[in-house]
Amino acid sequence: EVQLLESGGGLVQPGGSLRLSCVASGFMFSTYAMSWVRQAPGKGLEWVSVISTSGDDTKYADSVKGRFSVSRDNSKNTLYLQMNSLRAEDTAVYYCAKDYKCDSWGQGTLVTVSS
Amino acid sequence: QSVLTQPPSASGTPGQRVTISCSGSSSNIGSNTVNWYQQVPGTAPKLLIYSNNQRPSGVPDRFSGSKSGTSASLAISGLQSEDEADYYCAVWDDSLNAGVFGGGTKLTVL
Repeated sequence: EVQLLESGGGLVQPGGSLRLSCVASGFMFSTYAMSWVRQAPGKGLEWVSVISTSGDDTKYADSVKGRFSVSRDNSKNTLYLQMNSLRAEDTAVYYCAKDYKCDSWGQGTLVTVSS
Repeated sequence: QSVLTQPPSASGTPGQRVTISCSGSSSNIGSNTVNWYQQVPGTAPKLLIYSNNQRPSGVPDRFSGSKSGTSASLAISGLQSEDEADYYCAVWDDSLNAGVFGGGTKLTVL
């Protein structure tokens, strides 16, 4: 059974940084691209980023480009999202999802950006 | 404003068939395959349809997807109360070089 477990969310001040982690199990992590998707409170889904199997190809939404960085450690079955220069509008539940088509999702971790 | 346009709401009675539309452009739906997700409030989204019309194992055949040109549709037949949820379309956009989601459609089972 595929399991994705996000962590690292919390309250951070505007301009601050956070690193989210997503530990994967139940599938061969190194053979799948991985995605991040977020959902602001009461709002719809927003695609954030995707990383290729080896990590050498990454894509970002314009809203986070230059501030967020996705990476992975295939030896640890772990996906990361480094978030810098955080803004109030980055407040959301952040989900990691398996593959480009997001065929399995974690339960999400809440990031709140507020002073 | 989302690149993909969905109606904000839809409704139907048990047993009915409902469709949800997703309108895009040549750089997204017109060029790439569409996925659909179901999200029951308070829970994580679930993949419902991938590659326009393929159902993952475990998804009932009451759910079906289609695509024509720059638009896609999700159809739900034999509507059930547990189908009440938010539904999102998603696709890769070649111009943005990024993934995009529709704004979501809230389905109410009357």
